[in-house]
Amino acid sequence: GAVVSQHPSRVICKSGTSVKIECRSLDFQATTMFWYRQFPKQSLMLMATSNEGSKATYEQGVEKDKFLINHASLTLSTLTVTSAHPEDSSFYICSAGHMETQYFGPGTRLLVL
Amino acid sequence: KNEVEQSPQNLTAQEGEFITINCSYSVGISALHWLQQHPGGGIVSLFMLSSGKKKHGRLIATINIQEKHSSLHITASHPRDSAVYICAAPSSGGGADGLTFGKGTHLIIQP
Repeated sequence: GAVVSQHPSRVICKSGTSVKIECRSLDFQATTMFWYRQFPKQSLMLMATSNEGSKATYEQGVEKDKFLINHASLTLSTLTVTSAHPEDSSFYICSAGHMETQYFGPGTRLLVL
Repeated sequence: KNEVEQSPQNLTAQEGEFITINCSYSVGISALHWLQQHPGGGIVSLFMLSSGKKKHGRLIATINIQEKHSSLHITASHPRDSAVYICAAPSSGGGADGLTFGKGTHLIIQP
């Protein structure tokens, strides 16, 4: 089956630093990838749609200058949390569209101190 | 934008019981997803269905497109089935859309 990887799986950083999260489709090409986040005890929420070769589309309330998305190839999308603050601490998960379904990465748990 | 409602939010049952989790959505969709999330956070896609019924092992998912309703059933439940089960539908209904998720059903199966 289709596999999506994410790296890193966990990251702890200091407030004010930037963190990059990678999402890769390992055995298929994905023109579209999605980034979601989940705060404790809440449901997953779509942050943005990442399109290969074009600008990402952000959901309302998600700051595009804070959450930089780059989808430079058909197998890789990156999410950079710039100047991270404790309120950005969350579980970030990506998915990649393939054959009319979505395959999820294992997620990245970000803790900002 | 699609609104996805799930019930129940929490469910505790004894091993062996038949489990049903319900999901309803507001916007007509191309397909609905059922996902399983374990305490570590990782998500496993259980089903994607656009009509009728699908079965995988002890898991069965059904969908009624006209009523905008889907159910996930677990037969002969086992403690290892304990997890959060989430239904998700395309935000605007189309297959290429990001997903809108239900709040999840926290299932605990006691031995």
